[in-house]
Amino acid sequence: SQKIEQNSEALNIQEGKTATLTCNYTNYSPAYLQWYRQDPGRGPVFLLLIRENEKEKRKERLKVTFDTTLKQSLFHITASQPADSATYLCALLSNRDDKIIFGKGTRLHILP
Amino acid sequence: NAGVMQNPRHLVRRRGQEARLRCSPMKGHSHVYWYRQLPEEGLKFMVYLQKENIIDESGMPKERFSAEFPKEGPSILRIQQVVRGDSAAYFCASSSDRGRDQPQHFGDGTRLSIL
Repeated sequence: SQKIEQNSEALNIQEGKTATLTCNYTNYSPAYLQWYRQDPGRGPVFLLLIRENEKEKRKERLKVTFDTTLKQSLFHITASQPADSATYLCALLSNRDDKIIFGKGTRLHILP
Repeated sequence: NAGVMQNPRHLVRRRGQEARLRCSPMKGHSHVYWYRQLPEEGLKFMVYLQKENIIDESGMPKERFSAEFPKEGPSILRIQQVVRGDSAAYFCASSSDRGRDQPQHFGDGTRLSIL
């Protein structure tokens, strides 16, 4: 069956360190992966998109990698700050049916 | 530069009543998506509309749920004869076109509670 999985447990990272979040998928052939941030009581906010033919994408302190062999995307926040605390969602566009599928998200806590 | 606007933010209904959720997309956006989110669950796609047309409603229950996006005015998600299981956060998103790599811009959702 098709699945998109993110760490269900919250991730606690010390301020200043790099936070790394994982998104794994099975039985999809995504055209791209997107990462969103969601704060409590708010809608998701788009952060980054990486296409199937791209290995890495950067934006300020954010970096996303995409390994289609491992069927995995990693999302990194360098020099993390307490304000980075939120839930991070990955989403993929399936080549098969043109639908955007969201993972359940990983809660990130940056500890001061 | 208003983003996606959803209202109401919170809606309380009794079982059997109707719920109407509104979404005004970002200016210039003609593509609207509705999602449902349960606590600790991911966003589940419900329906995709383009002005006056339903393009994909494969994620929407066949009964009691309907959606529209008229030429003028906001998109409406309508739930008739609500049941307790309809309690959830409903998010609307819009994009400028259906380009496969267009990010979606989300509103802050309507939290529907069924008593």
